[in-house]
Amino acid sequence: NAGVTQTPKFQVLKTGQSMTLQCAQDMNHNSMYWYRQDPGMGLRLIYYSASEGTTDKGEVPNGYNVSRLNKREFSLRLESAAPSQTSVYFCASTRGTDTQYFGPGTRLTVL
Amino acid sequence: KQEVTQIPAALSVPEGENLVLNCSFTDSAIYNLQWFRQDPGKGLTSLLLIQSSQREQTSGRLNASLDKSSGRSTLYIAASQPGDSATYLCAVPYNNNDMRFGAGTRLTVKP
Repeated sequence: NAGVTQTPKFQVLKTGQSMTLQCAQDMNHNSMYWYRQDPGMGLRLIYYSASEGTTDKGEVPNGYNVSRLNKREFSLRLESAAPSQTSVYFCASTRGTDTQYFGPGTRLTVL
Repeated sequence: KQEVTQIPAALSVPEGENLVLNCSFTDSAIYNLQWFRQDPGKGLTSLLLIQSSQREQTSGRLNASLDKSSGRSTLYIAASQPGDSATYLCAVPYNNNDMRFGAGTRLTVKP
């Protein structure tokens, strides 16, 4: 099992550009999550999906959109990137209230 | 609102020392608490998950305790090794699918 995979690993954008971060899991988990991690602030939840076809906002959803394409894939889209969105983005998945499994992260810089 | 605090923010110890990392949370109505390890430039790896009905969990040299009534958890690492150097984060569920993370404790174990 590959676990949780994320692409790309690194990305540099200019202000106003758009991009989609991809996440996939092969553990047949129902729930998937997108977090951002900023220095000194821990991880903050952007969006989550409790099951295929459903998505809900987390703590910091502004400026982002998500799509739960199927049970395996959960993508995060930045429509118009801003410097404040410079961060490390992590995708995670879990089966119900069990342990969360994390991907390796995407390091995004917005100039 | 659930807030998670970890003290200290950084800790440096000589190899072989036993150490304790602290995590506190403001809302005691949690159903579990997780401890994660994060190596530099990597994603999070789950170390221990304690259910609300449990008082502690052990895995090898790691022991995590949970006191819901006081809003505290500790992670005890016995006989620390240089390979234990990493950032340790605790997390608690919030509003069903949300997770709230502490900012982490950065541990350095010196040979």
